[in-house]
Amino acid sequence: NAGVTQTPKFRILKIGQSMTLQCTQDMNHNYMYWYRQDPGMGLKLIYYSVGAGITDKGEVPNGYNVSRSTTEDFPLRLELAAPSQTSVYFCASRPLAARTRELFFGEGSRLTVL
Amino acid sequence: GESVGLHLPTLSVQEGDNSIINCAYSNSASDYFIWYKQESGKGPQFIIDIRSNMDKRQGQRVTVLLNKTVKHLSLQIAATQPGDSAVYFCAENRDDYKLSFGAGTTVTVRA
Repeated sequence: NAGVTQTPKFRILKIGQSMTLQCTQDMNHNYMYWYRQDPGMGLKLIYYSVGAGITDKGEVPNGYNVSRSTTEDFPLRLELAAPSQTSVYFCASRPLAARTRELFFGEGSRLTVL
Repeated sequence: GESVGLHLPTLSVQEGDNSIINCAYSNSASDYFIWYKQESGKGPQFIIDIRSNMDKRQGQRVTVLLNKTVKHLSLQIAATQPGDSAVYFCAENRDDYKLSFGAGTTVTVRA
């Protein structure tokens, strides 16, 4: 299993540009999440999904959109990028039924908006 | 504000000593807690978890203590090694779907 795979690993955007951060997992996990991590800070939840076709907002959803058309994929869309969206983005997943509520994280996507 | 946070942003430890990393939470409804380790340039990795019906849980070289009376969580690392240098996060679960993370403690191991 590859686990949680995020692409791209690095990206530089200009203000106002749009892009999609890709996330896919091969563990058949029902729950998927997008977090952002600013320097020296913890992770803030952007959006999450409890299954295909179901998404919901987290703590900091403004400026982002998500979709969940399949169990495997959970892309994060940035429309009209702003400098405040410069951050490291982490995708994570978790199975529906498990002893723990551990999230499995990808390696992150570092985004810079100039 | 955040309901999960760490007391100290940085911790310097001599190799071979024990490390204690602290975390305070404010939501008494939280029933599950996790400690994660994040190495530079990587995603967070699970270390150990504990449910609110427990006070202590041990893993390999790590122990998590939970004090619900004062809403305090700690991670103890025995015989700290250079590979333990990382940022450590505690996280709480208030419902079944979402984990909320604290700001993290950066642990540096001195040779």
